[in-house]
Amino acid sequence: QLQLQESGSGLVKPSQTLSLTCAVSGGSISSGGYSWSWIRQPPGKGLEWIGYIYHSGSTYYNPSLKSRVTISVDRSKNQFSLKLSSVTAADTAVYYCARDDGGGLYDYWGQGTLVTVSS
Amino acid sequence: QSALTQPASVSGSPGQSITISCTGTSSDVGGYNYVSWYQQHPGKAPKLMIYEVSNRPSGVPDRFSGSKSGNTASLTISGLQAEDEADYYCSSYTSSSTVVFGGGTKLTVL
Repeated sequence: QLQLQESGSGLVKPSQTLSLTCAVSGGSISSGGYSWSWIRQPPGKGLEWIGYIYHSGSTYYNPSLKSRVTISVDRSKNQFSLKLSSVTAADTAVYYCARDDGGGLYDYWGQGTLVTVSS
Repeated sequence: QSALTQPASVSGSPGQSITISCTGTSSDVGGYNYVSWYQQHPGKAPKLMIYEVSNRPSGVPDRFSGSKSGNTASLTISGLQAEDEADYYCSSYTSSSTVVFGGGTKLTVL
């Protein structure tokens, strides 16, 4: 059974860079032609798609976040990562990592991690 | 990209049927059969309920069904049960190779 687990700093200061990692277990991140995504949810609000990295290494990002987002993969560690720069309070959210089986089909999710932006 | 449009809330009594709509454009919902629906209970990660407009993953009750007409997709839950009370989100692939979510719908089982 595939499992995803987010980790990273739960508190980030304004203007700094948010960094999260998603460890994948129960399967290889390099197999199957899947994409690997980050999705966030501000407290009390809806889901917002951040972006994904294809199995090929190509990346696609939400246009509203594109200038601040980087998603990368470390195949040797079977994990992928999110970096979001120049954060503000508006970036406070639960951040989820998820597997995309094509066209936004998110069949496996991490449990989510709350990141708070505050000084 | 703009979020897909969903009603903020819907409600129904046990045993009844409800439908949640998800309206986009020809660049997302109307242009692709890549519409998914997710159920989210408080404090939990979303769960895939419908994919590619009308397909149910293994383990999802057949009370849940999906459809699409033009730029609007719909999720129907028949025979409502108390455990169906949750937030529901639609998503769609877009012509920019991105994904967009709906704003979410809170389902209340009366």
